[in-house]
Amino acid sequence: SYELTQPSSMSVSPGQTATITCSGDILAKKYARWFQQKPGQAPVMVIYRDIQRPSGIPERFSGSRSGTTVTLTISGAQLEDEADYYCYSAADNNWVFGGGTKMTVL
Amino acid sequence: EVQLLESGGGLVQPGGSLRLSCAASGFNFGIYSMTWVRQAPGKGLEWVSTISGSGSSPTYYAESVKGRFTISRDNSRNRLYVQMNSLRAEDTAVYYCVAGYQLLDLDYWGQGTLVTVSS
Repeated sequence: SYELTQPSSMSVSPGQTATITCSGDILAKKYARWFQQKPGQAPVMVIYRDIQRPSGIPERFSGSRSGTTVTLTISGAQLEDEADYYCYSAADNNWVFGGGTKMTVL
Repeated sequence: EVQLLESGGGLVQPGGSLRLSCAASGFNFGIYSMTWVRQAPGKGLEWVSTISGSGSSPTYYAESVKGRFTISRDNSRNRLYVQMNSLRAEDTAVYYCVAGYQLLDLDYWGQGTLVTVSS
């Protein structure tokens, strides 16, 4: 079975750039998505197909890839960006989430 | 506007059964794959099960629920279901209904329904 590995937590100061990495063999087969989840709320997709941003998602959110590692970048982090972030990919009838990264903005 | 509304959660004893439902609206339900994703209290997201738009075989299950959970759908009613049997304490979670344009996609999420397995 596949796994996706991301840091469990990180912190960033308001206005600074936050980067969250996610790595795993499954990423050699398929694109990644990133989901943002705030307390008590359902996840919201912020990046799909590694680098695409859904409509309504602020431009400060971007994605990139290098080999089997994908990165979510938040340029100029805002207080409202404090949340859990999950990477996700699926291939060969495996649907896989990363363990989640708790991002604190302070 | 896409809406997914889960229902059927609640408190159930270990070994018991529960059936969750998800009512879909605002999109062409019959061409979207549907997935259940769960989240135990304070934990991360876990994929549970997926069914294709037509509902035809195969259906897909996480090892942790295989043989105990059954996913199904009624395209005439725009409804997704999961029948959960032999429930365990570790099945306690918020269960989300998720729609995907392709089998592996997770595009639209419901707000979730809480299942608590406890005596």
